[in-house]
Amino acid sequence: DIQMTQSPSSLFASVGDRVTITCRASQNIGDYLNWYQQRPGGSPRLLMYAASTLLGGVPSRFSGSGSGTEFTLTISSLQPEDFATYFCQHSYRTPGTFGPGTKVDAK
Amino acid sequence: EVQLLESGGGLVQPGGSLRLSCRASGFSFSSQLMSWVRQAPGRGPEWVSGISPGGEGTSYTDAVKGRFTNSRDNSRDTMYLQMDSLRVEDTAVYYCVIDLSGWRFDPWGQGTLVTVSS
Repeated sequence: DIQMTQSPSSLFASVGDRVTITCRASQNIGDYLNWYQQRPGGSPRLLMYAASTLLGGVPSRFSGSGSGTEFTLTISSLQPEDFATYFCQHSYRTPGTFGPGTKVDAK
Repeated sequence: EVQLLESGGGLVQPGGSLRLSCRASGFSFSSQLMSWVRQAPGRGPEWVSGISPGGEGTSYTDAVKGRFTNSRDNSRDTMYLQMDSLRVEDTAVYYCVIDLSGWRFDPWGQGTLVTVSS
């Protein structure tokens, strides 16, 4: 299986901060990369697919980039509702494994 | 509004069985590829099993092959996960998800907790 790693595992930030999360794949996955958000006590929600395509309704402060083995999720100006855990997942082949998550906490 | 409602979780001893259900509404259930995804406490999600729209095709992660069975009843808009020979490591919240297109899971249900412990 393709292994996914994320860094950092957690970070502390303030409202208005720019936040960047990195996801790495154990092999080349092209742009077959999804990002999910899981708010405290909630279920995961798909934010983005194909590394940089936002789902409808996802604020434009979220952006994604990367290809191959290294990807980033950026929140340009953190809002109170963005404090959550973020997971990457590859969709390159079966099974589409997830990363361990990056928790964004309030400073 | 698309809704996925899981049920059937609970506490079970190692070696025991549980049957999870996922009741869907708000979309054409019989046209959708569906999956079960689980999340152990403090861990990232893990895909467990997928099922084709008509139910004739199923797939499983290696960790549950031969122990779990995924099925669906399109007349009831419901998907099931029969879990046998449960192990401590199967402890997790189990989510029902729509597979939009090749490993894109959205939306997710609220989840049902399965705890395997003696």
